[in-house]
Amino acid sequence: QKEVEQNSGPLSVPEGAIASLNCTYSDRGSQSFFWYRQYSGKSPELIMSIYSNGDKEDGRFTAQLNKASQYVSLLIRDSQPSDSATYLCAVDYKLSFGAGTTVTVRA
Amino acid sequence: GAVVSQHPSRVICKSGTSVKIECRSLDFQATTMFWYRQFPKQSLMLMATSNEGSKATYEQGVEKDKFLINHASLTLSTLTVTSAHPEDSSFYICGSQGADNIQYFGAGTRLSVL
Repeated sequence: QKEVEQNSGPLSVPEGAIASLNCTYSDRGSQSFFWYRQYSGKSPELIMSIYSNGDKEDGRFTAQLNKASQYVSLLIRDSQPSDSATYLCAVDYKLSFGAGTTVTVRA
Repeated sequence: GAVVSQHPSRVICKSGTSVKIECRSLDFQATTMFWYRQFPKQSLMLMATSNEGSKATYEQGVEKDKFLINHASLTLSTLTVTSAHPEDSSFYICGSQGADNIQYFGAGTRLSVL
């Protein structure tokens, strides 16, 4: 059974700051990792996918993967109020979701 | 690209009735479709996985006779909640996965059973 754990929330950051989200996974053989954002009452939307060790940047978002440590993170730079949502970490194609971390960006 | 259409977005029904939810991948072929359920303040719970033309694989604890899944084509999957009861009230979300192996989600269906 795949297990995915995310850092407990909620996470509150001031506007313009960096929000850091962490996720660990139990299956050492996992190959693909995803971050989804879910606004309240809505379905998840894909933010980032990452497959190789290292960093992957897309706009204000940076995903970091360390397979040796079984750890994947998401950084949100210059956080905006519109980033306030629950962020879900997902592992592998079948998607084992973490419980999510709720982020609130204070204006 | 990667648009997944799910409807209805909201349905209210009486206890004992059946409800069908449709999920369509509009601009890609979905080799695999997933159905999730989400209760308030909780993460998505995978209910079942289906491949086109095959029987769905249900997760442990999900009644296959209650939640009927049909994946008749590469662009359409349906979930039918049979004999719905108030405890079935939830947010149901479909996920479609194509050749890129990335899963994209429909907008979800909020089911309320009275």
